[in-house]
Amino acid sequence: EPEVTQTPSHQVTQMGQEVILRCVPISNHLYFYWYRQILGQKVEFLVSFYNNEISEKSEIFDDQFSVERPDGSNFTLKIRSTKLEDSAMYFCASRRENTDTQYFGPGTRLTVL
Amino acid sequence: KNEVEQSPQNLTAQEGEFITINCSYSVGISALHWLQQHPGGGIVSLFMLSSGKKKHGRLIATINIQEKHSSLHITASHPRDSAVYICAVMNTGNQFYFGTGTSLTVIP
Repeated sequence: EPEVTQTPSHQVTQMGQEVILRCVPISNHLYFYWYRQILGQKVEFLVSFYNNEISEKSEIFDDQFSVERPDGSNFTLKIRSTKLEDSAMYFCASRRENTDTQYFGPGTRLTVL
Repeated sequence: KNEVEQSPQNLTAQEGEFITINCSYSVGISALHWLQQHPGGGIVSLFMLSSGKKKHGRLIATINIQEKHSSLHITASHPRDSAVYICAVMNTGNQFYFGTGTSLTVIP
């Protein structure tokens, strides 16, 4: 069964460094999402992406964040200058057209030191 | 301010029991999702509802749009059902809001 994959599974970085989190959505899916979950807290929506542009973004998704679909398979989340409070689990999800069921990746745990 | 409230926060049940988890929301929605998060952190989408009721195996989800309330039921619960169950809504502006989750433990 096709699945969403994410790399790396765990990323450790120094504060102020740039990180890129990678996701490979399911191949025939057209809608892509990033979410984050700070340890012990609820899941939070970051951004949705369709047709090579951002559809919606939350207040969390400020100028430090960007998303890109650099080729036909990858969907990336970049954090330009990481802060301690960016430490969280980041989930990617995708879905097909004409359905609202999202398929989640296993997550990338980002630790900012 | 929480747009999505879940109850209970924690739930312990004996194997075989019927379980209900509740979700109330305060925004106008276009869809409501029930998600399952396993102890390892992985998230699985269980249901997407915009009206009525859906059933998948031992899981049943209902929604009452007028009352802004949804329930997730698990029949004949099993220890493998132990997980965090999350209610999430997409409002009419296509923003997502998540509940804090209900942590379910099913004891053999």
